[in-house]
Amino acid sequence: EPEVTQTPSHQVTQMGQEVILRCVPISNHLYFYWYRQILGQKVEFLVSFYNNEISEKSEIFDDQFSVERPDGSNFTLKIRSTKLEDSAMYFCASSVRQGAEAFFGQGTRLTVV
Amino acid sequence: GIQVEQSPPDLILQEGANSTLRCNFSDSVNNLQWFHQNPWGQLINLFYIPSGTKQNGRLSATTVATERYSLLYISSSQTTDSGVYFCAVGSIQTGANNLFFGTGTRLTVIP
Repeated sequence: EPEVTQTPSHQVTQMGQEVILRCVPISNHLYFYWYRQILGQKVEFLVSFYNNEISEKSEIFDDQFSVERPDGSNFTLKIRSTKLEDSAMYFCASSVRQGAEAFFGQGTRLTVV
Repeated sequence: GIQVEQSPPDLILQEGANSTLRCNFSDSVNNLQWFHQNPWGQLINLFYIPSGTKQNGRLSATTVATERYSLLYISSSQTTDSGVYFCAVGSIQTGANNLFFGTGTRLTVIP
């Protein structure tokens, strides 16, 4: 069964460092998303991406964040200068069309120290 | 954004018992999904159910979109059902590209 895959599963980084989280969405899906979940809290939307551009973003997704689809299969989230409060589980998701069922990857647990 | 409220926040069940989890939302939606977050943090898709009723084994779900709620039924619960159950909704008004998650119901099934 097709699935969304994310790498790495865990990442520890020093405050101020740049991190890139990687995702391979399901191959025939056209909409891609990033969400995050701070420990013990609910899952929050960060950004959606369609047709090689951002289609929506939340207030959380500030200038420190960027997304890219560098090739036909990968979808990345970059955090330029990590802060302690960026520590969270980051989920990538994809859907075949707008409003369709979204499928989530297994998550990347980011710890900023 | 859409407000999503889930109840109860915590639920402890004896193995074999049945339960009903509720999700209320504040606006019209055209996307509603139920997820199970396992102890490793993975979000497992349970149902895509913007309206109607679906069943999958011991689990079933019903969404009454006109009354803005959805129910998840778990029958004959097993210890592997433990975890957090999230309801997430998307709205035409927000483009339905993003899901708004509730705060979840933490289910603990004891042997």
